[in-house]
Amino acid sequence: DGGITQSPKYLFRKEGQNVTLSCEQNLNHDAMYWYRQDPGQGLRLIYYSQIVNDFQKGDIAEGYSVSREKKESFPLTVTSAQKNPTAFYLCASSGYRGLAYEQYFGPGTRLTVT
Amino acid sequence: SQQGEEDPQALSIQEGENATMNCSYKTSINNLQWYRQNSGRGLVHLILIRSNEREKHSGRLRVTLDTSKKSSSLLITASRAADTASYFCATVASGGYQKVTFGTGTKLQVIP
Repeated sequence: DGGITQSPKYLFRKEGQNVTLSCEQNLNHDAMYWYRQDPGQGLRLIYYSQIVNDFQKGDIAEGYSVSREKKESFPLTVTSAQKNPTAFYLCASSGYRGLAYEQYFGPGTRLTVT
Repeated sequence: SQQGEEDPQALSIQEGENATMNCSYKTSINNLQWYRQNSGRGLVHLILIRSNEREKHSGRLRVTLDTSKKSSSLLITASRAADTASYFCATVASGGYQKVTFGTGTKLQVIP
């Protein structure tokens, strides 16, 4: 059963702690993405990776870090430098279908920092 | 920065009615895609329209694209309670890598 998995679904952390969100895909996609979604808002791009061992900052990368050591995995670390980390985090990968690339999303991780 | 802006922000209709939501964007695109998000879940791809297409259909969905006005619309015909969700347009820029920029979404409620 192909797809994208994110874990955990809910995550609670104390302020000042780093936390890592997991994202795994078995779709054999080269490109992977992390988005942040705040209540009632659209998605904002945090980081993206077009290929293993390479990644680029998105629109709101400050306070976040990523790695892409394997094609299947693209973990996101929310550092203590992120001023407002409580949000819903979505991971996606991109694959060619038909005539263009489409994004496939994981179920998301809801992070609450208190 | 957000490329797409959806209108309306929220829409409430009776089951069986049609729902129309609009998306405007700012720069040249390769294609435009519509996604659906059920509350607290990931996004699901619905339909894609390329920049050289004007209209596309998929089941009860109809998408139009007007590149001269930099706008798109999504029509859901004969709506069902199960269509209740948020709908996002996403633009893919021309050239370069496949960066997808999402709009702010339209929250649709279909009342049984």
